[in-house]
Amino acid sequence: IVLTQSPGTLSLSPGERASLSCRATQSLSSSYLAWYQQKPGQAPRLLIYGASTRATGIPDRFSGSGSGTDFTLTISRLEPEDFAVYYCQLSSSSLYAFGQGTKLEIK
Amino acid sequence: QGQLVESGGGVVQPGRSLRLSCAASGFTFNNYGMHWVRQAPGKGLQWVAVIWNDGSNKYYADLVKGRFIVSRDNSRNILFLEVNNVRAEDTAVYYCARADMGYKNNAYYNYGMDVWGQGTTVTVSS
Repeated sequence: IVLTQSPGTLSLSPGERASLSCRATQSLSSSYLAWYQQKPGQAPRLLIYGASTRATGIPDRFSGSGSGTDFTLTISRLEPEDFAVYYCQLSSSSLYAFGQGTKLEIK
Repeated sequence: QGQLVESGGGVVQPGRSLRLSCAASGFTFNNYGMHWVRQAPGKGLQWVAVIWNDGSNKYYADLVKGRFIVSRDNSRNILFLEVNNVRAEDTAVYYCARADMGYKNNAYYNYGMDVWGQGTTVTVSS
């Protein structure tokens, strides 16, 4: 299974809403899909697992949705600290992969 | 919450081997699966390998299968990645990450990679 994220780069302003897409080449259980945020020079941080469950300490402006082959990470109102690279990730019992990432930049 | 500290990176010549380590603390190590994820300079995240909490299952990315070996010592709370016959394309920051995953009532579950180390850098150069 290959995960394809779009767009590659998203340019938005603080306060705007961001929608990031992750598409799988085969249908997968939503329980297998996670989202991560990575800032320059830092390790990734888990945002969402099970496609829609926020990880501990993640603000509620972050939400995940989707099923089958199409998944979305939505940031309702962008804060300055949200500009980063976002990755979706598959973890089945025997298949694991990251998408190529979406860079969220300040417009 | 837990902490992971990687070590063992450095400059290595093509064709040589090295072993990366990931020391875990602050949580019950043998309750968690453990991943290795790498990131080449300026590139995205690439999943490398996973080992389940008891070492019963191990899986590798196709790109590293046959060259990399993941293992763990639950008595010492350490994760390892043996990297053999290194190639230029293995140059990357290598992260270890904890994952709450496994089977409950015969159903697979996975709650994501929630604790990451700071990474160790491997540079392949002659």
